[in-house]
Amino acid sequence: GEQVEQRPPHLSVREGDSAVIICTYTDPNSYYFFWYKQEPGAGLQLLMKVFSSTEINEGQGFTVLLNKKDKQLSLNLTAAHPGDSAVYFCAVSLYQGGRALIFGTGTTVSVSP
Amino acid sequence: EAGVTQSPRYAVLQEGQAVSFWCDPISGHDTLYWYQQPRDQGPQLLVYFRDEAVIDNSQLPSDRFSAVRPKGTNSTLKIQSAKQGDTATYLCASSFSGTTGQLYFGEGSKLTVL
Repeated sequence: GEQVEQRPPHLSVREGDSAVIICTYTDPNSYYFFWYKQEPGAGLQLLMKVFSSTEINEGQGFTVLLNKKDKQLSLNLTAAHPGDSAVYFCAVSLYQGGRALIFGTGTTVSVSP
Repeated sequence: EAGVTQSPRYAVLQEGQAVSFWCDPISGHDTLYWYQQPRDQGPQLLVYFRDEAVIDNSQLPSDRFSAVRPKGTNSTLKIQSAKQGDTATYLCASSFSGTTGQLYFGEGSKLTVL
């Protein structure tokens, strides 16, 4: 079945620096891709969803790149700030809606002033 | 619009005790998921339903875990004879199958088995 590898497991950056998290998946039928943020004691908050073959999406303070050819999904936190400190998970869904998500192992990001 | 609601938020048990977790999904969502998230790990699917039918329960430890969604709305996840290895946060999520696959998560039920 689908396997999702996420790296690095931990990331420490200074405020204003950028940080990159990469996920690699195995199933070429993977269809939808997500990034979630989890703050301590809180649930999973959706950051971004993508589903084109090669897509760059920009949100508030981050960029997501999907490369289906290489089966890779990345999250780039640009100009990180302390509020970005959290655990980040990528997640992959096969085919179309109503399917369970397969999650990566998570990356703990710490942003220091 | 109300989000996914879970209860209780916290549970502390001795080994061998039982516990039930309850989930109320977003109104109109036909698909409901239960995930187990051990400390410092990613969520792992236990079971999911489309309406009242189980779609996939292959990762549910069937000897002690059970989950139901009898009317296709709320759901209960029950753990019987809990073990220390069951210590984790149990996340419920819901989605509508006709859309882009986005799952909406509750805040989770944190279980500690002593």
